[in-house]
Amino acid sequence: DADVTQTPRNRITKTGKRIMLECSQTKGHDRMYWYRQDPGLGLRLIYYSFDVKDINKGEISDGYSVSRQAQAKFSLSLESAIPNQTALYFCATSRTGMGNQPQHFGDGTRLSIL
Amino acid sequence: AQSVTQLGSHVSVSEGALVLLRCNYSSSVPPYLFWYVQYPNQGLQLLLKYTSAATLVKGINGFEAEFKKSETSFHLTKPSAHMSDAAEYFCAVSDGGSQGNLIFGKGTKLSVKP
Repeated sequence: DADVTQTPRNRITKTGKRIMLECSQTKGHDRMYWYRQDPGLGLRLIYYSFDVKDINKGEISDGYSVSRQAQAKFSLSLESAIPNQTALYFCATSRTGMGNQPQHFGDGTRLSIL
Repeated sequence: AQSVTQLGSHVSVSEGALVLLRCNYSSSVPPYLFWYVQYPNQGLQLLLKYTSAATLVKGINGFEAEFKKSETSFHLTKPSAHMSDAAEYFCAVSDGGSQGNLIFGKGTKLSVKP
């Protein structure tokens, strides 16, 4: 079983719909992250969480919200989806550290908004 | 603020040839640097990391990278390309401190010709 599991793997939906992407991990890491990947733009950080009570905005948080339901679960919501949120979304985890801890990624959710 | 520049969005090599993927970083503090690989329909996997120990870092699958402070570079190399190396490669720098967030480059897609 994967250490970082994202569901669903693929999702097609319509403009204006509310969508939730879910991430769960078995690595026991405190830190969790949500990124989006667009061709030619690399990965950009949406939100990150250092523990259940600590949620922080990343570079591109507008239009997104998150919930850290437990140490192992971190979900990303699009309250009212728009076409330019079509992208590949990744969840990642890491140990607590001073920037020297690598991040571990799920296999991604491919989201298409029509 | 930290940043990462990957020179060349696409690199093509012949099987058996040297692989060189370039990464330059900008950082006001000693950086932590990472290389990740992304195979189609998968998440990012850690190839190697530099965390201020040896400047020549060896990673998985025969890859290595050398940290050169004077050139602010962390180029990724492999002496002999294999068809299975075809993937997208991302360089990332940590923003250090207690945040530890990663700043990713835009990626370099490596093609390997038979």
